[in-house]
Amino acid sequence: NAGVTQTPKFQVLKTGQSMTLQCAQDMNHNSMYWYRQDPGMGLRLIYYSASEGTTDKGEVPNGYNVSRLNKREFSLRLESAAPSQTSVYFCASSGQDYNEQFFGPGTRLTVL
Amino acid sequence: QKEVEQNSGPLSVPEGAIASLNCTYSDRGSQSFFWYRQYSGKSPELIMSIYSNGDKEDGRFTAQLNKASQYVSLLIRDSQPSDSATYLCAVIGNSGNTPLVFGKGTRLSVIA
Repeated sequence: NAGVTQTPKFQVLKTGQSMTLQCAQDMNHNSMYWYRQDPGMGLRLIYYSASEGTTDKGEVPNGYNVSRLNKREFSLRLESAAPSQTSVYFCASSGQDYNEQFFGPGTRLTVL
Repeated sequence: QKEVEQNSGPLSVPEGAIASLNCTYSDRGSQSFFWYRQYSGKSPELIMSIYSNGDKEDGRFTAQLNKASQYVSLLIRDSQPSDSATYLCAVIGNSGNTPLVFGKGTRLSVIA
């Protein structure tokens, strides 16, 4: 049981490049989430998916898009990366609506 | 704007002492409360959840909830250097249709 997995672990992009962060969970959870974490800012919710087929904006959605590919997978896409998107990105999932969340190991993204 | 407030610390305690971490929240109707531990460079790990007023104990950890005062705390007994981490408080609001709101965390340092 791997829990929540994320790829890649590290990524360096140039300004304007695009990339997709992948997340998968094997706990049969309904809800999935994308957060970014910056020093002094805490965890900030980017997008979430309460169930397969639905997605909603969180606190900081600008510059990002998401896809809930199926119940297991939830991807985050940066269409045109900016230095302000340099951060650590965490994916999480929960079984019941918005209840106990379990986090993946994170992706460390640097945008030059 | 729902808020969760924590003292950023660092909170320094000697080995073997009780560490007390505090959290206040703004949404009076909040129903579910969680404590996460995050080691430097790692992802948040759920350590306690509490849903009703009073105390909940799990090993060396005790979560305390007082909904009237909108206050939740985490006590760590017999603190160990391995407890040194950032502790995040998270709350689910009253609407039942919004994800967790996280505090920015309190950094705990246990001195041997």
